[in-house]
Amino acid sequence: NAGVTQTPKFRVLKTGQSMTLLCAQDMNHEYMYWYRQDPGMGLRLIHYSVGEGTTAKGEVPDGYNVSRLKKQNFLLGLESAAPSQTSVYFCASSYLTFQETQYFGPGTRLLVL
Amino acid sequence: GENVEQHPSTLSVQEGDSAVIKCTYSDSASNYFPWYKQELGKRPQLIIDIRSNVGEKKDQRIAVTLNKTAKHFSLHITETQPEDSAVYFCAASKGDSSYKLIFGSGTRLLVRP
Repeated sequence: NAGVTQTPKFRVLKTGQSMTLLCAQDMNHEYMYWYRQDPGMGLRLIHYSVGEGTTAKGEVPDGYNVSRLKKQNFLLGLESAAPSQTSVYFCASSYLTFQETQYFGPGTRLLVL
Repeated sequence: GENVEQHPSTLSVQEGDSAVIKCTYSDSASNYFPWYKQELGKRPQLIIDIRSNVGEKKDQRIAVTLNKTAKHFSLHITETQPEDSAVYFCAASKGDSSYKLIFGSGTRLLVRP
């Protein structure tokens, strides 16, 4: 039981490049989330999904897209990376609601030059 | 929109002393308040949560209190140990139908041996 995993662990991009971050969970959770963590700003929700085939915007969705084609996977895409997207990205999942334990992945550190 | 303020941003205590971290929220309809601990370089992990129908919850050395009238909640750690050193995040659920979590900016706790 691996829990929540993320790939890659670290990535450097040039402004304007695109990339996809992959999150996978093996706990049969319905809810999945993408957060970004910046110094002094806590965790901010980018997008989330309440089940396979669904996605919804969080608090800071601009510049990101997501997809959840399979229940266990949640992908975060950056179509045209900007320096403001330099951050640590955490994926998380929970069983049925926001209001229960969210299990976080190990994080992806992204640097946009 | 919903806002969660967390204080202090840094806290240094002597081993064995108590530590208190406070959060205030703005949405009176918030009803779920978790606390997450993030050790250096690690993922956030839930340590305790409280729902609006109770005023206090304890789990060994940690406790959370909730004052709905004043819209604030606090984390109390007694008999602190060096392994309690970490960043602690509070969160509150939004009062709309999404129940998304809004996180505070974090408190860095240092326990001096």
